[in-house]
Amino acid sequence: AQSVSQHNHHVILSEAASLELGCNYSYGGTVNLFWYVQYPGQHLQLLLKYFSGDPLVKGIKGFEAEFIKSKFSFNLRKPSVQWSDTAEYFCAVIDRGSTLGRLYFGRGTQLTVWP
Amino acid sequence: DGGITQSPKYLFRKEGQNVTLSCEQNLNHDAMYWYRQDPGQGLRLIYYSQIVNDFQKGDIAEGYSVSREKKESFPLTVTSAQKNPTAFYLCASGFTGTGAFSGNTIYFGEGSWLTVV
Repeated sequence: AQSVSQHNHHVILSEAASLELGCNYSYGGTVNLFWYVQYPGQHLQLLLKYFSGDPLVKGIKGFEAEFIKSKFSFNLRKPSVQWSDTAEYFCAVIDRGSTLGRLYFGRGTQLTVWP
Repeated sequence: DGGITQSPKYLFRKEGQNVTLSCEQNLNHDAMYWYRQDPGQGLRLIYYSQIVNDFQKGDIAEGYSVSREKKESFPLTVTSAQKNPTAFYLCASGFTGTGAFSGNTIYFGEGSWLTVV
């Protein structure tokens, strides 16, 4: 079974600071990778996804993530965070070789941005 | 509007009672999922279904039951056997197919808060 590790449980930054949230997964086969965001009081929304092609993926609101296959990583980055980025961020992986089609989630990283 | 609808949004239950959470989608998705979200534990999979009349247990299925009689509906019953039912429950759906969701994404409903009193 897959496992997904998010190394930072809670990150606190000031506005304009740069952000990098780590995500590693365990499976060595072909995967689809996702970052979801959950703003306070809201449902999970897709931030960005990687299926194939360019390993540097750009998402909404200035976020990007880089897939490094050799490191089994899919870290989320943003050059300059805003107060409105305060949210919980979840990394997720699906094994494309599996017929079960289930999505594995990390435990989430709570990001707090101070104005 | 297209999307995933969960109801009720807030629910209180007395200990010993079963409760059913509704999840309906009009996105024509084949697969549907139920997750439980607890602080600091992320999302844990309860049950999932790839096709009508078929479903599989996830990682924490004990104390829960589901049915998939229609493609658009995947209700979750939290039974009295569930030891710690107070949580936020999320329903999700997506397409299945070759390449395991190749090109497709899982979408989430707004969630249901269940509190056992």
